[in-house]
Amino acid sequence: EDQVTQSPEALRLQEGESSSLNCSYTVSGLRGLFWYRQDPGKGPEFLFTLYSAGEEKEKERLKATLTKKESFLHITAPKPEDSATYLCAVQGDTGRRALTFGSGTRLQVQP
Amino acid sequence: NAGVTQTPKFRVLKTGQSMTLLCAQDMNHEYMYWYRQDPGMGLRLIHYSVGEGTTAKGEVPDGYNVSRLKKQNFLLGLESAAPSQTSVYFCASKSASYYYGYTFGSGTRLTVV
Repeated sequence: EDQVTQSPEALRLQEGESSSLNCSYTVSGLRGLFWYRQDPGKGPEFLFTLYSAGEEKEKERLKATLTKKESFLHITAPKPEDSATYLCAVQGDTGRRALTFGSGTRLQVQP
Repeated sequence: NAGVTQTPKFRVLKTGQSMTLLCAQDMNHEYMYWYRQDPGMGLRLIHYSVGEGTTAKGEVPDGYNVSRLKKQNFLLGLESAAPSQTSVYFCASKSASYYYGYTFGSGTRLTVV
């Protein structure tokens, strides 16, 4: 059974204070690891897909990295508009083609 | 705008009532999913479909039924609502390729009293 654990549950940063969110996973045959951003009252919005250990992806102040056991979402010099819940999910090689999600990290960036 | 549309956005039901949630996508995606999201528990898969006319159970299927009569629509039914089904429901779709993730709808907030 695929499992995803995200830490911390919540994180409060000052504007400009860089940090990282962690996503640990166990999966049978990783097909992809996905990061989503979710704002209150809205559906998750796709950020990144990572496919193999060592891969990195960047978008503005966000950088996602992947190892064989975990992924990190690095946030460099965050701004208040980066405040959201960040979700990590994995897709294994089962025929279900469904993602297994972690419970998310709630990020608050204060001005 | 292309994407996934869920209706209704909000609904309050009494225990024992039934209802259907509708999900429609216009991206010609093969796969469609229904998840529920509860505080501290993340997104949990209820049912999913890998093509028109096919459905399958996810992690938490009890108390729900689904149908996919047309490729673009995926319906989630609650036959006899219970307070434990109070949640936010999200529909998602994706292409058949492993290389793409989901596109989510904006959610349906359901309260069962």
